[in-house]
Amino acid sequence: QGQLEQSGAEVKEPGASVSVSCKASKSAFINSYLHWVRQAPGQGLEWLGWVNCNSGDTAVAQKLQDRITLTRDTSTNTVFMELTRLRSDDTALYHCTRDFRNVAFKDWGQGTMVIV
Amino acid sequence: SSELTQDPAVSVALGQTVTITCRGDSLRTYAANWYQQKPGQAPILVVFGNNLRPSGIPDRFSGSSSGNTASLTIDGAQAEDDADYYCNSRDTTYSHVLFGGGTRLTVL
Repeated sequence: QGQLEQSGAEVKEPGASVSVSCKASKSAFINSYLHWVRQAPGQGLEWLGWVNCNSGDTAVAQKLQDRITLTRDTSTNTVFMELTRLRSDDTALYHCTRDFRNVAFKDWGQGTMVIV
Repeated sequence: SSELTQDPAVSVALGQTVTITCRGDSLRTYAANWYQQKPGQAPILVVFGNNLRPSGIPDRFSGSSSGNTASLTIDGAQAEDDADYYCNSRDTTYSHVLFGGGTRLTVL
């Protein structure tokens, strides 16, 4: 059982929204920044944003800032990524990952495939 | 904002030394981290803070940085090192994160 467990695969129509969850162990959640990174088929890694699990503060990639929302639920140690107005180029494997030290990512969720 | 640039592909003969580079303005200020990724797997952190190895990473992996360039060196490449390698760091705004485009390493 990993420290980060993500929700299952999603298939969506263009224009729809998707929400992906990432449940962390207590130790992985407290005092952590959890980031979202995606990888389109055959492509490289793309950073999407982070959530400060303590404060709820967030930062997101500029190219997605009008479509992505990151939240967290401290009662369940879970972070959420919502992406709206989905397009075909949003098809990717979406990972949550924990900031180990200065955006070095050591722990990764298993990934959630989103197909648009 | 800025970007991180990597060579798309590099090859190395089995047992030889190979260096993969990552270039970007943010590396003058912020440390580079390196990841190995094999097909169907999540990335594995192999070097962080420019030159530190997480526990469990073989010591044939090392990192360095100078100016706007960070480097990952594999000293004595093994067949299992055949993979994609990505660098990342903070961008110049500090709050955002950059990934390089990745380098496909082929061990011949």
